[in-house]
Amino acid sequence: GENVEQHPSTLSVQEGDSAVIKCTYSDSASNYFPWYKQELGKGPQLIIDIRSNVGEKKDQRIAVTLNKTAKHFSLHITETQPEDSAVYFCAASMNTGFQKLVFGTGTRLLVSP
Amino acid sequence: EPEVTQTPSHQVTQMGQEVILRCVPISNHLYFYWYRQILGQKVEFLVSFYNNEISEKSEIFDDQFSVERPDGSNFTLKIRSTKLEDSAMYFCASTGVGGTSSYNEQFFGPGTRLTVL
Repeated sequence: GENVEQHPSTLSVQEGDSAVIKCTYSDSASNYFPWYKQELGKGPQLIIDIRSNVGEKKDQRIAVTLNKTAKHFSLHITETQPEDSAVYFCAASMNTGFQKLVFGTGTRLLVSP
Repeated sequence: EPEVTQTPSHQVTQMGQEVILRCVPISNHLYFYWYRQILGQKVEFLVSFYNNEISEKSEIFDDQFSVERPDGSNFTLKIRSTKLEDSAMYFCASTGVGGTSSYNEQFFGPGTRLTVL
C-alpha cells in the first residue's frame, strides 16, 4: 500500500522567513496530494491541494510543488507569521474520487516573532 | 460555513467497555470516514463508508470496530470492548460531490479524545 514520508519533523523559523516541508510517496497510482494544518486541539484543516496533472499551485503565501517522476511534493510557506505555527501533514490519495488519505508523519512548524 | 461536528469531545472509559463516538457530517456529503491519531503520531485511516456500507477498512479496523449511519445525519463509530491501545483522538471526515466543496476534499471534525483506563 501507499507510504508517505515527511521531513523535517520539526522546523523553526523566524517570522518573515520561508518554510519548506517535503514529502515522498511510494504508490505511483496516487494522484491527489492535500496538505493539512492542525492546530492544537483541533482537527486537520485543508490548506492547499494538488493533483498530478499539475506541477505547481499557489494560494497567496502558500504553494505546493509536485514531481511525479521522483514521487515527491513540497509545501512552501513564504513570509511566515506566528499564526502559521502548527503541525502540517501531507497526504496522498488515489483520485478515484473518494479514496482514503494516507498521511505523512507531520511537521511541527514554529514561527518565532 | 458548513462543518463536521463530533461528540463527545472527550470520552473516558474503562478497558473492556463499549464506546460509541458520534459524528454529524456535512449535509449533502455522501462519503464518510473515520481516522485516528495516537498522541504525537500520524493520522491513520480506519474506515470509509458510502451508500450505507463500508467501502474500505484498514487492518486496525478489526471485529471490535463497527460503523453505522443510523439516520440521515449521524455517523457513528462503535468500539465493542475497548483496549488501552485504543486511546487516541478519533476524527470523522466527510466529502461530497459538487456544491461548495472541492472535488475530493475531506473535511475533518474537531475529534473525540478517547482515553481508555
